[in-house]
Amino acid sequence: RKEVEQDPGPFNVPEGATVAFNCTYSNSASQSFFWYRQDCRKEPKLLMSVYSSGNEDGRFTAQLNRASQYISLLIRDSKLSDSATYLCVVNDGGATNKLIFGTGTLLAVQP
Amino acid sequence: DGGITQSPKYLFRKEGQNVTLSCEQNLNHDAMYWYRQDPGQGLRLIYYSQIVNDFQKGDIAEGYSVSREKKESFPLTVTSAQKNPTAFYLCASTKVGGRDTQYFGPGTRLTVL
Repeated sequence: RKEVEQDPGPFNVPEGATVAFNCTYSNSASQSFFWYRQDCRKEPKLLMSVYSSGNEDGRFTAQLNRASQYISLLIRDSKLSDSATYLCVVNDGGATNKLIFGTGTLLAVQP
Repeated sequence: DGGITQSPKYLFRKEGQNVTLSCEQNLNHDAMYWYRQDPGQGLRLIYYSQIVNDFQKGDIAEGYSVSREKKESFPLTVTSAQKNPTAFYLCASTKVGGRDTQYFGPGTRLTVL
């Protein structure tokens, strides 16, 4: 089983749609959770951290379910500029706090 | 501007040659990391360093070497022992004791001819 699993997509959605990404992780000791965005041939950039209480940043909402070891990202009113790969990232829960990256989910927003 | 810089952006290497990728940060971050990204795969950790003059192997360290002589710099050498070096190499840094958020440089795309 992969340490961090994501649906690879691609998700093809029209502008204005709501799209949800799911992610599961295997290490119950993980303490930090993130969503990164990666544009084609660019570096990953932090989109948002994910907290147990859930958090929202404009059109983006992230949720964490520790019992199920599940993380989600919801994008509302999607824009063409949201087209990118979304990476689910968790730390390994060890002393060095290494990050484990999912393979990413590709989103293509269509006009 | 504070940030992480990597150079060169593109690098071509002949088989059997060693090459060194540069990574510099002026964020005053303690920890630095090197990752490799291949198509369809997640980022894989090559080496990391949490303090000057100390570094540890990641998941795929074979064929690579690093040094951490200064807090700001963490160069990666891809040696001729690395069997499949063609990849996108990403350097990242973070503040130790923070929420582990890692910030990435723009990457170096290495191609072996």
